[in-house]
Amino acid sequence: GAVVSQHPSRVICKSGTSVKIECRSLDFQATTMFWYRQFPKQSLMLMATSNEGSKATYEQGVEKDKFLINHASLTLSTLTVTSAHPEDSSFYICSAKTGTEQFFGPGTRLTVL
Amino acid sequence: QKEVEQNSGPLSVPEGAIASLNCTYSDRGSQSFFWYRQYSGKSPELIMFIYSNGDKEDGRFTAQLNKASQYVSLLIRDSQPSDSATYLCAVGSWGKLQFGAGTQVVVTP
Repeated sequence: GAVVSQHPSRVICKSGTSVKIECRSLDFQATTMFWYRQFPKQSLMLMATSNEGSKATYEQGVEKDKFLINHASLTLSTLTVTSAHPEDSSFYICSAKTGTEQFFGPGTRLTVL
Repeated sequence: QKEVEQNSGPLSVPEGAIASLNCTYSDRGSQSFFWYRQYSGKSPELIMFIYSNGDKEDGRFTAQLNKASQYVSLLIRDSQPSDSATYLCAVGSWGKLQFGAGTQVVVTP
């Protein structure tokens, strides 16, 4: 299947700082990428849809000013968690769509102290 | 409220047996259906997808879709200990996926 990478894989930060997570499609171009969040023992929840060249669309209840998304190119989307707080600690996973299939990156585990 | 429902399990399956996983969804407009496998602490891995009513087979896996009943299932034949994981059903519309909570499968030697 197609390869999607994420960086970093794990980050620990202090409350109030901002964290940037990168998502790259390595062997294909993705006009659309998706950002999910998964809390322990729960399923993935879609946060936003990232579209190359336009603004991201956010799901209900997701603060767009807190979770900044930039889809800079056909292979790169970034998620910035601004002024992170302990309740933002979670597993953040991106995915990229190729025609009929959707592949996930390895995820970024964020811990906010 | 769009929902995807799965039995949380755990589903205990003897090695070599068939594991049967079920998923129901509420949105009749759903167009695409996926099964992912997720190991603890890892990201989901795509097993297979299905769009049309009926069966789709890929190796030891068979997905079954019944849009009239809003039901999709996954069969795992000849279950192996390495199949022990949480299996996520995902239902898609216009590229967005909504996930079920997952079914934990435990394959016992």
